[in-house]
Amino acid sequence: QKEVEQDPGPLSVPEGAIVSLNCTYSNSAFQYFMWYRQYSRKGPELLMYTYSSGNKEDGRFTAQVDKSSKYISLFIRDSQPSDSATYLCAMSPLSSGSARQLTFGSGTQLTVLP
Amino acid sequence: EAGVVQSPRYKIIEKKQPVAFWCNPISGHNTLYWYRQNLGQGPELLIRYENEEAVDDSQLPKDRFSAERLKGVDSTLKIQPAELGDSAVYLCASSLADNSPLHFGNGTRLTVT
Repeated sequence: QKEVEQDPGPLSVPEGAIVSLNCTYSNSAFQYFMWYRQYSRKGPELLMYTYSSGNKEDGRFTAQVDKSSKYISLFIRDSQPSDSATYLCAMSPLSSGSARQLTFGSGTQLTVLP
Repeated sequence: EAGVVQSPRYKIIEKKQPVAFWCNPISGHNTLYWYRQNLGQGPELLIRYENEEAVDDSQLPKDRFSAERLKGVDSTLKIQPAELGDSAVYLCASSLADNSPLHFGNGTRLTVT
């Protein structure tokens, strides 16, 4: 069993829909949680990061962490065709967010249809 | 600022041939990472450098993979000889410090035939 599980999709939604992307994990030591967006033929880019449980909002994006359930989510409101990409969750056991022990999910491929 | 630059973008080689990838990190970034991303998977760390010192190479298959970061700036990753299973995207990333966000390059897509 992988430490981080992520539904690979593909997920296809109409423009304007609310998108929910999720990851589960098994390592209770994970403290720092990130979401990366990866466009086709590009490298991943950091979208959001959160520490411990709770919500964090940035524009149309909301990251949610539930450590008791070992479950994290990324919500995208008013989705746009430009949001079409692969979304990767990533986690680290170190509170500083160090990339030394960063574990990535396998990514969810999202397509937003105009 | 210029991002992480990798070359070549694509490489096709026959198995048992050598191949090398080059990475130029963001200026001033002391920490450099090489990741491998298989199709449909997330990136997996191969090696991490702090300046010119390799501080984490536990996931690097040392029988065929080697890396160097001369003068603590550019880095090269080499595979010799390549195997079919090495087909993947090789990503370079850099960060200002060990606990800073990663900035990824666009990767080198390797196909071994």
